[in-house]
Amino acid sequence: KAGVTQTPRYLIKTRGQQVTLSCSPISGHRSVSWYQQTPGQGLQFLFEYFSETQRNKGNFPGRFSGRQFSNSRSEMNVSTLELGDSALYLCASSLTGVYTEAFFGQGTRLTVV
Amino acid sequence: KQEVTQIPAALSVPEGENLVLNCSFTDSAIYNLQWFRQDPGKGLTSLLLIQSSQREQTSGRLNASLDKSSGRSTLYIAASQPGDSATYLCAATYNNNDMRFGAGTRLTVKP
Repeated sequence: KAGVTQTPRYLIKTRGQQVTLSCSPISGHRSVSWYQQTPGQGLQFLFEYFSETQRNKGNFPGRFSGRQFSNSRSEMNVSTLELGDSALYLCASSLTGVYTEAFFGQGTRLTVV
Repeated sequence: KQEVTQIPAALSVPEGENLVLNCSFTDSAIYNLQWFRQDPGKGLTSLLLIQSSQREQTSGRLNASLDKSSGRSTLYIAASQPGDSATYLCAATYNNNDMRFGAGTRLTVKP
């Protein structure tokens, strides 16, 4: 059974650019959540999608957005990149969200220069 | 405010020792608590999931307990091995699947 797949693994972008990250959940999982991990702030929740609908959102600016497709694959977009957006972005998939075990991908390492 | 704290921040033990990692959470209205392992630069590997109605879960050399009333969970690792060296994170899940993570405990097991 394939795990959670995140692409690309590494990205280098320039300030002001935008970036799109992709997450393919485990087959059959309908919930996808996104997290930002930095040395200073640790793991912070960005948002969760379930059946193509954003079900919950963390405390991040509107530059961070996402979507989920009918096959449960999810994308996260960050516009007008800032140096502080440099982080490891992780996605987690679970069957339904609450009550079910979350499985994480390997992450996308984003560096903004 | 829903905060999760892990103590200690770092731990170094000799191989073969049994050890306990601690996790505390301020809001006891959790749906579940999950323990993860993270190797440097990698994603999170799920170790154990404890539902709010459960008291403990076991997997191999790992045992996790949950005490909602006191806002605490512990991860017990028996007979530690160098391969157990990693950062261990606990996460409390609240409504709407909002997982709150602790800062982690960095474990080093010396051969």
